[in-house]
Amino acid sequence: GAGVSQSPSNKVTEKGKDVELRCDPISGHTALYWYRQSLGQGLEFLIYFQGNSAPDKSGLPSDRFSAERTGGSVSTLTIQRTQQEDSAVYLCASRPGRSTDTQYFGPGTRLTVL
Amino acid sequence: SQQGEEDPQALSIQEGENATMNCSYKTSINNLQWYRQNSGRGLVHLILIRSNEREKHSGRLRVTLDTSKKSSSLLITASRAADTASYFCATDGGGGGADGLTFGKGTHLIIQP
Repeated sequence: GAGVSQSPSNKVTEKGKDVELRCDPISGHTALYWYRQSLGQGLEFLIYFQGNSAPDKSGLPSDRFSAERTGGSVSTLTIQRTQQEDSAVYLCASRPGRSTDTQYFGPGTRLTVL
Repeated sequence: SQQGEEDPQALSIQEGENATMNCSYKTSINNLQWYRQNSGRGLVHLILIRSNEREKHSGRLRVTLDTSKKSSSLLITASRAADTASYFCATDGGGGGADGLTFGKGTHLIIQP
């Protein structure tokens, strides 16, 4: 079946602009995660959604970052007033539910802030 | 913060040889997972070992877990050129998955043909 998909695959933006990154999880997966991978910080967890529940935002790097998940499926990660240090690969993962621990990752969005 | 630490950071071996990568972590875990990443993009799940397991096999992969030493190893036997990739360990502390996975910095494996 289809895996996790993310769009766009690459995004180049100018400093100060807002960007939206999209994640389509595997159908039926209730848990959704966002991670960021950068040269300096490695792979870091950003935020988690379980179904329609409100997420814990404490892992987001700054208040310029926000995320939402509509209808318990598609998720968008929004970065406002982008900075050069936001340049990274943003990875999304989904998991079937609490009974299964394996996370399935999408191909990522490579964000470059000029 | 990165809990897992893999070593070596880079490993280059000849095709057909075995590759061993190690991972250490700091806090208690529910399970430990190994992932592969090609060309800096999507992560492919390889194997999951639970905290009450000591060894697990999947094809040419063998994973061990020593919770007393807070360490794990990934062995790839009879390596192939296609195994060239970065390998990451990731720990799951439990809590229903709400804290996400904590990844190490990875081992870059190069298989020389």
